[in-house]
Amino acid sequence: GEDVEQSLFLSVREGDSSVINCTYTDSSSTYLYWYKQEPGAGLQLLTYIFSNMDMKQDQRLTVLLNKKDKHLSLRIADTQTGDSAIYFCAESRDTGRRALTFGSGTRLQVQP
Amino acid sequence: DVKVTQSSRYLVKRTGEKVFLECVQDMDHENMFWYRQDPGLGLRLIYFSYDVKMKEKGDIPEGYSVSREKKERFSLILESASTNQTSMYLCASSKQPNYGYTFGSGTRLTVV
Repeated sequence: GEDVEQSLFLSVREGDSSVINCTYTDSSSTYLYWYKQEPGAGLQLLTYIFSNMDMKQDQRLTVLLNKKDKHLSLRIADTQTGDSAIYFCAESRDTGRRALTFGSGTRLQVQP
Repeated sequence: DVKVTQSSRYLVKRTGEKVFLECVQDMDHENMFWYRQDPGLGLRLIYFSYDVKMKEKGDIPEGYSVSREKKERFSLILESASTNQTSMYLCASSKQPNYGYTFGSGTRLTVV
């Protein structure tokens, strides 16, 4: 999705923290999402954040939102080999098209 | 366990063939979506539907059409398959248009 950008690849060691970044262009975005796709599977919703929030924490996952810079990040603490997957950022808007716009996805590789 | 079922996991078709990709959901969702996933490009929206017999074009509708005759079923049609339509196709459904997507496992289509 040209409106949502992510880096394509991230490699970390098991036990380290991973930070996956996303930038979006539409200031009318209301919800921002992180989805996870494991090999050979569809996408699963990991977490989401409403646009009037700055941070959301859910167990090992922390989402940070900087509305001024239109920047979203997903931090995974104590990264495990089972976290290896493709992570997609997505945005929704109150106006215009009533469907999510996804980024290109970041492939996270966790080295044992 | 609620789910979105895509009829084929893998499909190989010849150039010029008419191809039907089927998607069925059992959650009584109003909204259904077809995305195409390509490496480095993420998910791109082909078509979506917010009600029976209703459809809207996404970002890349050219070469595709859709059918939604019943609430639970959303079909993607490739009128005359071409090699550049070789891709992973993902179907999703949701109660709200911008929230709570449930994805199918995907159909990997190869056009030869």
